[in-house]
Formats: sequence, structure tokens, C-alpha cells
Amino acid sequence: DAGVIQSPRHEVTEMGQEVTLRCKPISGHNSLFWYRQTMMRGLELLIYFNNNVPIDDSGMPEDRFSAKMPNASFSTLKIQPSEPRDSAVYFCASKSQLGGELFFGEGSRLTVL
Amino acid sequence: KQEVTQIPAALSVPEGENLVLNCSFTDSAIYNLQWFRQDPGKGLTSLLLIQSSQREQTSGRLNASLDKSSGRSTLYIAASQPGDSATYLCEVNGQNFVFGPGTRLSVLP
Repeated sequence: DAGVIQSPRHEVTEMGQEVTLRCKPISGHNSLFWYRQTMMRGLELLIYFNNNVPIDDSGMPEDRFSAKMPNASFSTLKIQPSEPRDSAVYFCASKSQLGGELFFGEGSRLTVL
Repeated sequence: KQEVTQIPAALSVPEGENLVLNCSFTDSAIYNLQWFRQDPGKGLTSLLLIQSSQREQTSGRLNASLDKSSGRSTLYIAASQPGDSATYLCEVNGQNFVFGPGTRLSVLP
């Protein structure tokens, strides 16, 4: 299996622009997680899905952030409008079931100027 | 709300030493605990997953233990090597999914 695939790997954008990050989980995995990592706050869970349904989005920082999972093989995290404080590495991860082993993608490094 | 801490924050050891990394959590009602390593600029790589019913798991030179009642897990690395240099994080899976801040390990040749 190719593992969790994220795109883009790097994104540089200007404040106010819309950013869309994409994730393809491991085939057969039912749970998908979006994390944000910064030096100051470490790894923070933003939202997770189980069987394509959002279960807990309490970590989504503001209404500017939204996430969707239209099918079992694809998810997006959108920031609109983006701000410099959104600069971070965004990770997607998946597991076969909520009690299973978590596998991470390589991350999307976002820089908002 | 679950809180996870890791001690020490950073550790530097000479090659060949055995070492222990610690992970503590406040809510013992967990399903499992997972240890990861993260190399600079990379994603997280799973090392060991311990279910709440287990006391320890082993993989090669790594051994992880879990004591739910005391809210502690340890990751033991035997005969450390320079290639073990990375940040090690624990993730506690209970009512929510919480990562510790990590321990940055440097193994000197």
C-alpha cells in the first residue's frame, strides 16, 4: 500500500487566499484524522471522521476552517480566508478502526505571507 | 480533559546506551497508547501500539510498557544508535486523541 498520501507537500500563499489541502487515506481504513503541528503548540487534532462522517471537530480553530470527506478515499481541509497564523504543517492520518494503529502522511507545509 | 506530558523534553546520550522515555497521562480511561518517531521535516512513523489490556509491546530494540492505573507509559530503547536520533511522541487514545509534546533524542557517535 502507498500509505497516506497528502498534497500539496508545500504551499506558499498570501493572506486572504483560499487554501485546500488534500488527503487520500490508506485503502480500507475507516477513520481519518487531520492534525496541525507548530513549534508553539505541538500536534493538535483538528477533526476526525469515522466512515466518512465527522465525529469531532472541536479542534477546528475557527469558521475559516472546514473539512470534508465525500468518500472513503478522499478528504479535504480548506482554509478560507487564510491568515499568517495558519502557517503550520498539516498532517492527515488514518486507521482501520478507532482502536487501531494510526498511520500518518508526510504532511503539507503551509506558509501564509 | 486528557493531558499528556513527556519527560525529558530533550535527551543526548552516547551511542550504545540503553535509555527510557516517559509518557504520562491524566485520564486512565484509555483504549490504547501509541509511540511514534518523527524525523525533522517528516511525518510520524508508528513504532508500537499498546492496547489498554496489554502491559507491554516489543519490536526489535524497542519495548513499550503501559501502566494505566498510574497513567504512565515508558519507551525503552536498547543499545541506542545514531539512527535513533529523532523526536519521540506518545499518543493517548481515550475519549479523545491527544499527543504529548515529544522527547527530542540525540544519540552521539
